[in-house]
Amino acid sequence: GAGVSQSPRYKVTKRGQDVALRCDPISGHVSLYWYRQALGQGPEFLTYFNYEAQQDKSGLPNDRFSAERPEGSISTLTIQRTEQRDSAMYRCASSFFGLAGERSYNEQFFGPGTRLTVL
Amino acid sequence: GQQLNQSPQSMFIQEGEDVSMNCTSSSIFNTWLWYKQDPGEGPVLLIALYKAGELTSNGRLTAQFGITRKDSFLNISASIPSDVGIYFCAGRGGYTGANSKLTFGKGITLSVRP
Repeated sequence: GAGVSQSPRYKVTKRGQDVALRCDPISGHVSLYWYRQALGQGPEFLTYFNYEAQQDKSGLPNDRFSAERPEGSISTLTIQRTEQRDSAMYRCASSFFGLAGERSYNEQFFGPGTRLTVL
Repeated sequence: GQQLNQSPQSMFIQEGEDVSMNCTSSSIFNTWLWYKQDPGEGPVLLIALYKAGELTSNGRLTAQFGITRKDSFLNISASIPSDVGIYFCAGRGGYTGANSKLTFGKGITLSVRP
């Protein structure tokens, strides 16, 4: 596809369950970012990858959150033992790595997000 | 986490009017970005600014990168109904490493009365 895709678009789960959120970046994009967006807020950084290597996970709130990108393409964000406070929109973005050509071409393109609701 | 300062939270304007919104930060950023988010969609990049003092236009949109590198503004001229949405500013320190992550404002919801 042409853009970043995420699945599922909506996920409702019960407190204590594990969830896995998937992101499929734009073809050719080396860098992949995860953000979390609460209602009425802007996206907040969670973690990011270049190829399969996790470069920065400083935004992950606690050790229940983890992410992987084993083949340098699709990424999965996993939340274990979900809590109600984990409810939010989870957004994925991808970009080229570093600078290549026209500058704005290197910016992050966002997917539609996964709306997670923990009951 | 840190968020950039955008206010007010909501703006209501008449179709055809111009509107300006600004964004400030306590930290310096080397790139300023403006995104628009429509319901059910992810943020879409409107304008990117790369140099302090830079003024850039994209159709009816004009944005400026503040000289101090701690602020930016976005102007929309002759607003139309499809300008409705949430406008986010974002700052980035660099292109690699921890600097490549984006720091966003809370967003301004723009409503346009026909």
